[in-house]
Amino acid sequence: QSGLTQPPSASGTPGQRVAISCSGSSSNIGTNSVYWFQQLPGTAPKLLIYGNSQRPSGVPDRFSGSKSGTSASLAISGLRSEDEADYYCAAWDNSLSGVVFGGGTKLTVL
Amino acid sequence: EVQLVESGGGLVQPGGSLRLSCAASGFTFNSFWMHWVRQAPGKGLVWVSRINGDGTATNYADSVRGRFTISRDNAKNTLYLQMNSLRAEDTAVYYCARAFVGAAVGYDYWGQGTLVTVSS
Repeated sequence: QSGLTQPPSASGTPGQRVAISCSGSSSNIGTNSVYWFQQLPGTAPKLLIYGNSQRPSGVPDRFSGSKSGTSASLAISGLRSEDEADYYCAAWDNSLSGVVFGGGTKLTVL
Repeated sequence: EVQLVESGGGLVQPGGSLRLSCAASGFTFNSFWMHWVRQAPGKGLVWVSRINGDGTATNYADSVRGRFTISRDNAKNTLYLQMNSLRAEDTAVYYCARAFVGAAVGYDYWGQGTLVTVSS
């Protein structure tokens, strides 16, 4: 099951803005919505972004999502130490008839 | 309050079987697609399977198709994953997740996960 492509790591200092990319294909990101999840160490993932750019209730507006063609991006502004976590993108894949995840990006707040 | 509680994980030998359960509460269970997602130790999230609200439609990842079976009992508000012919590479924490209406991967609620270890 081919997945989406994310950088394995990203970093930033408190207050900075960081962006995490997610690359896919016409059968997933190119056609369907992108979702982003945050996973803190030892916990279940949490939905951050749905429908490419929508935030669930309770998610700070420091988190934003965008999509263009077959790529998507998660941006985190005003970086905080508590944002240090793993971030995953995901989308439905029409060719596979299944969900594909990115490999995850470990965000370090320096 | 929405809750998803997995159970049934444990140590099993290669080739063995295990059935995971996910007890749901706090919402109208039969109105939602439910998914299983797994995570091998130190690795990323991998989708396993999904089932629709009335149990008539299912999808599987290639890696588990023919070995795993997803099902649900709406009278008991419980989701299941029957895992047969288990392999070492199936070792992972298995999460059940609810996909909110209209969002294929909108996992707004997750269970705490149950660890499956396949080893001799």
